[in-house]
Amino acid sequence: ETGVTQTPRHLVMGMTNKKSLKCEQHLGHNAMYWYKQSAKKPLELMFVYSLEERVENNSVPSRFSPECPNSSHLFLHLHTLQPEDSALYLCASSQGGRGYGYTFGSGTRLTVV
Amino acid sequence: RKEVEQDPGPFNVPEGATVAFNCTYSNSASQSFFWYRQDCRKEPKLLMSVYSSGNEDGRFTAQLNRASQYISLLIRDSKLSDSATYLCVVNLQRDSGAGSYQLTFGKGTKLSVIP
Repeated sequence: ETGVTQTPRHLVMGMTNKKSLKCEQHLGHNAMYWYKQSAKKPLELMFVYSLEERVENNSVPSRFSPECPNSSHLFLHLHTLQPEDSALYLCASSQGGRGYGYTFGSGTRLTVV
Repeated sequence: RKEVEQDPGPFNVPEGATVAFNCTYSNSASQSFFWYRQDCRKEPKLLMSVYSSGNEDGRFTAQLNRASQYISLLIRDSKLSDSATYLCVVNLQRDSGAGSYQLTFGKGTKLSVIP
């Protein structure tokens, strides 16, 4: 059982839909992340939130919009996505500036049709 | 040059074999190094950290060579349950005071241990 919970596990959406991915961490961490994992590519960092402030946005298209209402919750709002956005979206959390204790959620497998 | 580069794989080895994975990283300012394991259709999980002095955890040994910017993972006496993708991960710890950091992942090397 992971301390980082993501919902939904699977999502199929049309290009004109609006949906949101949700992440919740129960570990008391102070940083949360969104990563994208596409086939045959390394994990790509999308957004970093530290203490509820966005500290990193790795040139992600505006059709992806993150929201971090508190240190335990992270959302990724999706709208007008493209088929190439189909991927596994992973949330992670960590405590402080150390490489240890970086915990991933199980991910949301997104298919855009 | 890719930031973190790994053996292309896949590696198909018999049970009991010893297998070694290699990884190079491009940023000499990198501070922390890790191996993560990712099972099929699951999230990555930390396998072990990598230290300059080398470290061992049971059948797994990790080595770091900062001068060559090279990291390795050795698995001895492979088990069927070792079948997974092994991700080399590097941390460029930022002195931002924000209390967060980024991990840079390699593409991973797939290992299949065959009975």
